[in-house]
Amino acid sequence: DQQVKQNSPSLSVQEGRISILNCDYTNSMFDYFLWYKKYPAEGPTFLISISSIKDKNEDGRFTVFLNKSAKHLSLHIVPSQPGDSAVYFCAARVSGTYKYIFGTGTRLKVLA
Amino acid sequence: GAVVSQHPSRVICKSGTSVKIECRSLDFQATTMFWYRQFPKQSLMLMATSNEGSKATYEQGVEKDKFLINHASLTLSTLTVTSAHPEDSSFYICSARRGGIIEQFFGPGTRLTVL
Repeated sequence: DQQVKQNSPSLSVQEGRISILNCDYTNSMFDYFLWYKKYPAEGPTFLISISSIKDKNEDGRFTVFLNKSAKHLSLHIVPSQPGDSAVYFCAARVSGTYKYIFGTGTRLKVLA
Repeated sequence: GAVVSQHPSRVICKSGTSVKIECRSLDFQATTMFWYRQFPKQSLMLMATSNEGSKATYEQGVEKDKFLINHASLTLSTLTVTSAHPEDSSFYICSARRGGIIEQFFGPGTRLTVL
């Protein structure tokens, strides 16, 4: 049973436009949500996180929105750049632990 | 800062042999290290959590006798796949966390192929 889902396996966006990556979860026992970016043959790198008590966190071009009632979070990248092309994973931390549950990833392609 | 290395990056072995994968935190002391496994087009699945000097905590369904984890120091954890079989072929990735930080820092991963 996949507790964290990324239903879009891929996304293509034009350079300069907004990229929106989505993630849904089914368990309420998560206290933090994180987004990671992964290039081929490399480990995931941390992008941004959000506490479950907040609904928005912004860091430069990256903004994460959390809708607790819908159990949905999204990552917005504005403006998108070709270097943003990678696989993006959302992850949820089980409350009171350091255990992460990962989604299956969305491959973002930013077209020049 | 917060660099995690893994060695080897790729290994091919014969069925029945054992393979050791090293995970090192290069510029920080890792409070906890984690081992994940990723199958193609699937998410990273946590296998076990290890703290320095203590036994690893394995996730449900992960055979502790098959996947031996040793966390000998605050900068080194090893995963040994014992008596490897073709179904153990996968991408193994480690991560580390340091105190007071939410995010984990990931190594580059190890591609294991068992013939």
